[in-house]
Amino acid sequence: SSELTQDPAVSVALGQTVRITCQGDSLRRYYASWYQQKPGQAPILVIHGKNNRPSGIPDRFSGSSSGNTASLTISGVQAEDEADYYCNSRDNSGHPLRVFGGGTKLTVL
Amino acid sequence: QVQLQQSGPGLVKPSQTLSLTCAISGDTISNFNAGWNWIRQSPSRGLEWLGRTYYRSRSYDDYAVSVRGRITINPDTSKNQFSLHLNSVTPEDTAVYYCARDLLDSSGSHYYMDVWGEGTTVTVSS
Repeated sequence: SSELTQDPAVSVALGQTVRITCQGDSLRRYYASWYQQKPGQAPILVIHGKNNRPSGIPDRFSGSSSGNTASLTISGVQAEDEADYYCNSRDNSGHPLRVFGGGTKLTVL
Repeated sequence: QVQLQQSGPGLVKPSQTLSLTCAISGDTISNFNAGWNWIRQSPSRGLEWLGRTYYRSRSYDDYAVSVRGRITINPDTSKNQFSLHLNSVTPEDTAVYYCARDLLDSSGSHYYMDVWGEGTTVTVSS
């Protein structure tokens, strides 16, 4: 399967911890990367690989993976973390194609 | 600092060809650890990866099944840029189009899109 499945929406109280998940057969073989997108802006990379944060991304963002599920965890959520989050990985067909999850809208209460 | 600058028309007529260009600064299109991608986003499709071009010993390309046969991504080493051509467009091709660099992790285990263009809104309408 080439699909990556995400919950459409998640909400979390300010300062709490939230986990956003991404499921797909390809995740058994390949790492996911995670992107944050705010309205009217291009996506930005927040996590890639096993648990790598690009420079400038706060350490409250972390990643993990188990079986067919990749997870993005935000600890101590801030108001500015309210955004859409997308996972991305390789297609499981054997070809080096890419596929995105449907995205999760994170609301900070 | 790597930057990607997009250019191209925002309005294309049905059945015609959508063409966009992404100019690279701070890196070279022949970087053996990079791929150069086109992605689009619409309310109905979300983020959709369209394809990429990359250099190893020569130029290669990969395309999404959904647009294969209609898409070409061309590198231009002389101008350090790459272009998207999507032919026979319909209103379903209306979307925001992004270019992005796809970089190989230092461990060699995976790729990730670390730099994105600003996006170009393309409307397919007569």
